[in-house]
Amino acid sequence: SQQGEEDPQALSIQEGENATMNCSYKTSINNLQWYRQNSGRGLVHLILIRSNEREKHSGRLRVTLDTSKKSSSLLITASRAADTASYFCATDAGNQFYFGTGTSLTVIP
Amino acid sequence: DTAVSQTPKYLVTQMGNDKSIKCEQNLGHDTMYWYKQDSKKFLKIMFSYNNKELIINETVPNRFSPKSPDKAHLNLHINSLELGDSAVYFCASSHPGPQGSQYFGPGTRLLVL
Repeated sequence: SQQGEEDPQALSIQEGENATMNCSYKTSINNLQWYRQNSGRGLVHLILIRSNEREKHSGRLRVTLDTSKKSSSLLITASRAADTASYFCATDAGNQFYFGTGTSLTVIP
Repeated sequence: DTAVSQTPKYLVTQMGNDKSIKCEQNLGHDTMYWYKQDSKKFLKIMFSYNNKELIINETVPNRFSPKSPDKAHLNLHINSLELGDSAVYFCASSHPGPQGSQYFGPGTRLLVL
């Protein structure tokens, strides 16, 4: 069964605003990863957070992980039109790797 | 210098045909994967290979078979294509273990008529 569910399914914001998307999963994990997919392209790895970490930053990205709630969030600060894409969480539970349903982000210039 | 490449990029074929999609990675990774992304963008892992051994085999039809001639290649063969096989197929690679973020190819868009 699918591991990750993402919320919201779609998000539309103005350029310069922050975007937050959430991911919930079902079982214990080794790590959780976030990926971006531009329209018609392959997925690009953004950030990985291990199960013993609670927060991680990379540029304008901030990821949190709450293993007690089995949830993660991705925050994109000061969004740009180029951030328009679909964002997927992916959970690594050893020999099982699942992607979430994705959040479609539109940043309006 | 493409890290993960797939061929062909587009594939249009008739029901019942047999087709193959090739994947190559030049990252020196030990593990390679095949994913299917449907029209709703849902990504499902189909197979993964680690050092030429199949380590994940999700419940996909046996019409789909992965072939790995060496560590840098993982090809996907599909027999007796069906309409429901229409999707985008992505190849990916990674180092094994918890550090392994995946690197994706550009995808192969398969349309079965």
